[in-house]
Amino acid sequence: SAVISQKPSRDICQRGTSLTIQCQVDSQVTMMFWYRQQPGQSLTLIATANQGSEATYESGFVIDKFPISRPNLTFSTLTVSNMSPEDSSIYLCSVGSRVEQYFGPGTRLTVT
Amino acid sequence: AQSVTQPDIHITVSEGASLELRCNYSYGATPYLFWYVQSPGQGLQLLLKYFSGDTLVQGIKGFEAEFKRSQSSFNLRKPSVHWSDAAEYFCAAISNFGNEKLTFGTGTRLTIIP
Repeated sequence: SAVISQKPSRDICQRGTSLTIQCQVDSQVTMMFWYRQQPGQSLTLIATANQGSEATYESGFVIDKFPISRPNLTFSTLTVSNMSPEDSSIYLCSVGSRVEQYFGPGTRLTVT
Repeated sequence: AQSVTQPDIHITVSEGASLELRCNYSYGATPYLFWYVQSPGQGLQLLLKYFSGDTLVQGIKGFEAEFKRSQSSFNLRKPSVHWSDAAEYFCAAISNFGNEKLTFGTGTRLTIIP
């Protein structure tokens, strides 16, 4: 399986600001996914990011709030914009196929 | 609607004892099934997966899971737990056709006592 890293591993941010989370993979992958894990909750898919195309967002998530870039086959970023305390979560990227995914270590975000 | 249910929010087991974590799914047809583990401060690690065939699936770290179609279940087991198994365990499923997304259960937190 691929080795996936995320930066930052954690951050504390003030409301109204934005944070960009990076996801780096050690091999080329077609599909990358971004998930949110709110405190005490399970994982919720935010969007699917394929290289060379616009990200596909799930219901309840919009590009203005969570813009995603996918400049190449090994890298993606997720930005959490205009943050509020409700955005405090762990954000995880994953790679693989629709039916089999491998996850990064996550970014723990706290918004104050 | 398709769903994955993990009935136990928190389980406490003595070190060396056996473990079974429950997972039930609700899908029109048998989905692909997965168990992931999330250790404190870590991402998710895939323990095992079931696509088809033998209903008893072996995974990493000594875990196994049994698929039971009649009960719509995919329970995770380990014969003897170690303190390092303390973590959050997630069952997940995805339809084997169409464009559905991976659906996770709400997780079971496992505590190991000496």
